[in-house]
Amino acid sequence: GQQLNQSPQSMFIQEGEDVSMNCTSSSIFNTWLWYKQDPGEGPVLLIALYKAGELTSNGRLTAQFGTTRKDSFLNISASIPSDVGIYFCAGPSGNTPLVFGKGTRLSVIA
Amino acid sequence: DAGITQSPRHKVTETGTPVTLRCHQTENHRYMYWYRQDPGHGLRLIHYSYGVKDTDKGEVSDGYSVSRSKTEDFLLTLESATSSQTSVYFCAISESMPGLGYTFGSGTRLTVV
Repeated sequence: GQQLNQSPQSMFIQEGEDVSMNCTSSSIFNTWLWYKQDPGEGPVLLIALYKAGELTSNGRLTAQFGTTRKDSFLNISASIPSDVGIYFCAGPSGNTPLVFGKGTRLSVIA
Repeated sequence: DAGITQSPRHKVTETGTPVTLRCHQTENHRYMYWYRQDPGHGLRLIHYSYGVKDTDKGEVSDGYSVSRSKTEDFLLTLESATSSQTSVYFCAISESMPGLGYTFGSGTRLTVV
């Protein structure tokens, strides 16, 4: 089945640093989604991207739909402790349920 | 404000026993999904439903069955639990499929001993 590869798998950063993570696919996606999972909770949608090259922000978060349509990027600026969690990329594979990447686990050191 | 609730939140069961997890929604969404989350594997789809009595298999459906007799409830059953089914199980709902705004429950942590 469809697979999404996220990197890095985990990150340890200092509070105030910027964060970058990405997601790649072997096939073209028409939509890219980024979710965040807080510890002990279910994932929550952060940003949705609908066309190649699109750049969308949500507060300190910025996501981009790669021009090849096979990748997407998520940046977090000036990280704070509440940014801790697992970040998932996801996308629809045809008319089937969303496929999720394995996640990037972010730890923020105060 | 939860439009989706999962029960129980935690369960410990013995190998070989049947287990049923419940997902209940108040949003009247047509689509419901069961995912499992394991370290190193992310979220993997077990089964999903596209309407009452309409279900289909996902990526890791072996050992699991589901039922949806009402729009609001989606049940996941482990007929005979095994240690490999120790996991965190998430239910999600959406208005359409593939759907963009999946709403997830808070999860059920299942331990099979």
